[in-house]
Amino acid sequence: EAGVAQSPRYKIIEKRQSVAFWCNPISGHATLYWYQQILGQGPKLLIQFQNNGVVDDSQLPKDRFSAERLKGVDSTLKIQPAKLEDSAVYLCASSLGTSSYYEQYFGPGTRLTVT
Amino acid sequence: AQSVTQLDSQVPVFEEAPVELRCNYSSSVSVYLFWYVQYPNQGLQLLLKYLSGSTLVKGINGFEAEFNKSQTSFHLRKPSVHISDTAEYFCAVSDSTGGGNKLTFGTGTQLKVEL
Repeated sequence: EAGVAQSPRYKIIEKRQSVAFWCNPISGHATLYWYQQILGQGPKLLIQFQNNGVVDDSQLPKDRFSAERLKGVDSTLKIQPAKLEDSAVYLCASSLGTSSYYEQYFGPGTRLTVT
Repeated sequence: AQSVTQLDSQVPVFEEAPVELRCNYSSSVSVYLFWYVQYPNQGLQLLLKYLSGSTLVKGINGFEAEFNKSQTSFHLRKPSVHISDTAEYFCAVSDSTGGGNKLTFGTGTQLKVEL
């Protein structure tokens, strides 16, 4: 079974530039999550989708971050414009559903460096 | 609101010695508890989880954890560690209120196994 795919694996941009990350979840997984992991901290949930609808985006900085999952499969997370404090690893995860009984499977992450 | 505290940022241990990684949580509702492992440049992998039932849960790679409601703890243990256990370990809590399956992570504990 293929795991969660993410691209790119690494990205370096200058502040005020824009960047986009892509995630393809495990086939059949209805729920998709984006987490931000700053160095030395645990992952923090940014947004959660159930199919193509948003379940929770309470911690997403909506003035600069946006995410979509138009067809309920793969997803894109965008930052525009980027700030130095956005340097982090962005992890995508997926699960069969929204219940805590369903395991979340994580992708390898995209490491973003903002200079 | 729920939170997780991992008091030990780093735990050095010799190979074949036992280890305990500590996790305390706070939540106003019933909780589900998880331990994840993260190897360098990889995503998170689920080690074990407590959802209900027996308070002693066994996971992969010989790890186990005990849920203690009175002490609000969920410590991770392994009786004999191997060099390959060197990684970052994250404790997480979920309460599924609102149907979101939102994971709140601790700051992580770096386990370093030495020969």
